[in-house]
Amino acid sequence: RKEVEQDPGPFNVPEGATVAFNCTYSNSASQSFFWYRQDCRKEPKLLMSVYSSGNEDGRFTAQLNRASQYISLLIRDSKLSDSATYLCVVKKGSTLGRLYFGRGTQLTVWP
Amino acid sequence: DAGVTQSPTHLIKTRGQQVTLRCSPKSGHDTVSWYQQALGQGPQFIFQYYEEEERQRGNFPDRFSGHQFPNYSSELNVNALLLGDSALYLCASSLDISSYNEQFFGPGTRLTVL
Repeated sequence: RKEVEQDPGPFNVPEGATVAFNCTYSNSASQSFFWYRQDCRKEPKLLMSVYSSGNEDGRFTAQLNRASQYISLLIRDSKLSDSATYLCVVKKGSTLGRLYFGRGTQLTVWP
Repeated sequence: DAGVTQSPTHLIKTRGQQVTLRCSPKSGHDTVSWYQQALGQGPQFIFQYYEEEERQRGNFPDRFSGHQFPNYSSELNVNALLLGDSALYLCASSLDISSYNEQFFGPGTRLTVL
C-alpha cells in the first residue's frame, strides 16, 4: 500500500467555484503534513503546511484528521491561476526529512 | 539569494548508458535530497546526503548512486540506464538534516532514455 493516496482527478471547475481535494496516509507515525503545488513541467513548491487544528491561508483551507489519517485542501473562489497539480505530502519524524508524496490531483480552472 | 539550481535542464540518453546530474543547494543549506518523478506520478525519494554521506535511501537499485561535495553540492549518477529511468529528477535542499526544516526544490533535470 502506498504511503499517501490521492484522487488524481482531473478536476475541471469554473472560476469562482469551490473545490476540495482529499488524501489519506497509511502510517500513523507520520508527523508533518503539507500541500505542495506543482505547475506543468515545474518543480513542486510548498503551498501550505497542515496543522491538527486546521489552518487557513487566504482562499485556501487545510484540515487534518489524525484519527482517520485524512488530509484535505479546500480552495474557495477559484482563480485561473490556481490551475496546477496539488500534491499531498507527509513527513515522518523518524525519517530525517524524507518527504512522501501522493501522485497529485490535477486542477483546471476555466473562465 | 540563489535558490536550488540543477544541471543540465534536459538530457537524452540511450539504454545502457550512464548519466550524471548535478545540484547546487540553496545558499546556507547543507542537506540535499534527490527525488524521481515519473510522468503522472508524485516524486519518489531516492536518497539524501548530509555531511558528504548518504544518510538514508529510498527503494531504488544500486544503479543509482550519489555524492556530496564539501561545498554541499551534489551529484546523482545512474548506471546502465533503462527506459523506465525516464523521469524528472528533482533535487531538494534544506538546512541541516532535521525533519522540521522546509525543503526547497530545484527546477529538475528531465531525463529521456531511448
